[in-house]
Amino acid sequence: DAGVTQSPTHLIKTRGQHVTLRCSPISGHKSVSWYQQVLGQGPQFIFQYYEKEERGRGNFPDRFSARQFPNYSSELNVNALLLGDSALYLCASSSTVRRDGSQPQHFGDGTRLSIL
Amino acid sequence: AQKVTQAQTEISVVEKEDVTLDCVYETRDTTYYLFWYKQPPSGELVFLIRRNSFDEQNEISGRYSWNFQKSTSSFNFTITASQVVDSAVYFCALSEARQGAQKLVFGQGTRLTINP
Repeated sequence: DAGVTQSPTHLIKTRGQHVTLRCSPISGHKSVSWYQQVLGQGPQFIFQYYEKEERGRGNFPDRFSARQFPNYSSELNVNALLLGDSALYLCASSSTVRRDGSQPQHFGDGTRLSIL
Repeated sequence: AQKVTQAQTEISVVEKEDVTLDCVYETRDTTYYLFWYKQPPSGELVFLIRRNSFDEQNEISGRYSWNFQKSTSSFNFTITASQVVDSAVYFCALSEARQGAQKLVFGQGTRLTINP
């Protein structure tokens, strides 16, 4: 079975532009989460979606938005790009969301976004 | 707030040496889950292990072992007889479940280099 797939692999944008990143979860997984990983740091949580509904949002500005489609794939949109948005954007999927936080999340290879 | 600290930024050892990666966490939850992930140069985060707060038994999987000590809020990871293929960045993470969402809180990561 295919793992979590993300596209594109790399992307170069300029300040002020917008970007759309895409993620396809593992087959059968209904939850998708997005994380931002700045160079040299651990990933930071941006969003979680489950069954097309937003379940959680991290401490990111409103320039960041996301959605999940009926086939459970997801898009992350970032508007008015800033230099500080340069990072590796990781998508993770899980089969469900457990109230006790025990569900492992499986990550894709990420999209490396560079802002010039 | 949840917090994970990996004090070792970088570790470099010679192949076949044993190496321990430290992880210290902070949480107010009585039930929680801890994870270790490996990030090779490709960028994908590879799930290694999950441990719940009620199970303090050490776990061994081949050359990998984990030592969970609730009294010191630590969840350390040891690689025995290290190999060059173990070179990667390793992340410790704490799962936070709030209001129907589950997110991972990551440490800064430890870059492990195994030299031949």
